[in-house]
Amino acid sequence: AQKVTQAQTEISVVEKEDVTLDCVYETRDTTYYLFWYKQPPSGELVFLIRRNSFDEQNEISGRYSWNFQKSTSSFNFTITASQVVDSAVYFCALTPEGAQKLVFGQGTRLTINP
Amino acid sequence: DAGVIQSPRHEVTEMGQEVTLRCKPISGHNSLFWYRQTMMRGLELLIYFNNNVPIDDSGMPEDRFSAKMPNASFSTLKIQPSEPRDSAVYFCASSRDVQSLQPQHFGDGTRLSIL
Repeated sequence: AQKVTQAQTEISVVEKEDVTLDCVYETRDTTYYLFWYKQPPSGELVFLIRRNSFDEQNEISGRYSWNFQKSTSSFNFTITASQVVDSAVYFCALTPEGAQKLVFGQGTRLTINP
Repeated sequence: DAGVIQSPRHEVTEMGQEVTLRCKPISGHNSLFWYRQTMMRGLELLIYFNNNVPIDDSGMPEDRFSAKMPNASFSTLKIQPSEPRDSAVYFCASSRDVQSLQPQHFGDGTRLSIL
C-alpha cells in the first residue's frame, strides 16, 4: 500500500523567508511517480510538478525547488524568498506506475505574512 | 485552453434528496477522476474512468454513490439519497494518457452541503 506523510500541518513565515515543506512516502513499488499540488484559498488544485522514481535530479523552477531523495523516501519542496501569494495548502501525492490512483498527503497549510 | 469544468460550484440541499454533480474534462484527455475532500479524510479518489470505462471504483463509499461517463466530454457523480456526512468538496480531474502518467488537472470543485 502507498502512503504519503506531510508531518507539518501548518507553517507560518514572514515574507521573503525561505520555507521547506516536507514529504515522506511509503511504497513497495519500484517505479512510481511523485507530485506536488497547490490549493490556494480559492479552492482549486493546481499541478506544480511530477517526478518519476528513476529521476533523482533536483529541480528548480523560479523560486520553487524540489529535492527528491530516494534513500530517505522524501520529496521536499522549498520556496525561496516567499511571497504572500504563496499562501496556500500544498499537497504531496504518489502514484505507482500503470495506475492513476493519486494518494495524497494530508497537506501543509502555508501562510506567508507580510 | 479550457480547463476541467465542474457544475454546480456550490450545492446546498436537504438530506434525502438526490444530488448530481457534473464534469466536463479537458478536450483530448481520456482519463477522468472523481475525488472527495473533507477535513477528516483529506483528498480521496472515489472512482476513475479511462476511455469512458470505469477502471477502479473501490473508493466509492457506498451504494448511494454512482458515477457515469456516457461520452468523452461528460461525467456525472450522483448521490441518492444524500446524507449530511456526504458534505464535502468534490473534485473532478482529467489527464491525457494513463500509460504515460500525465499529470491530472483539476476542476474548481463543487462544494456540497447536505442539511
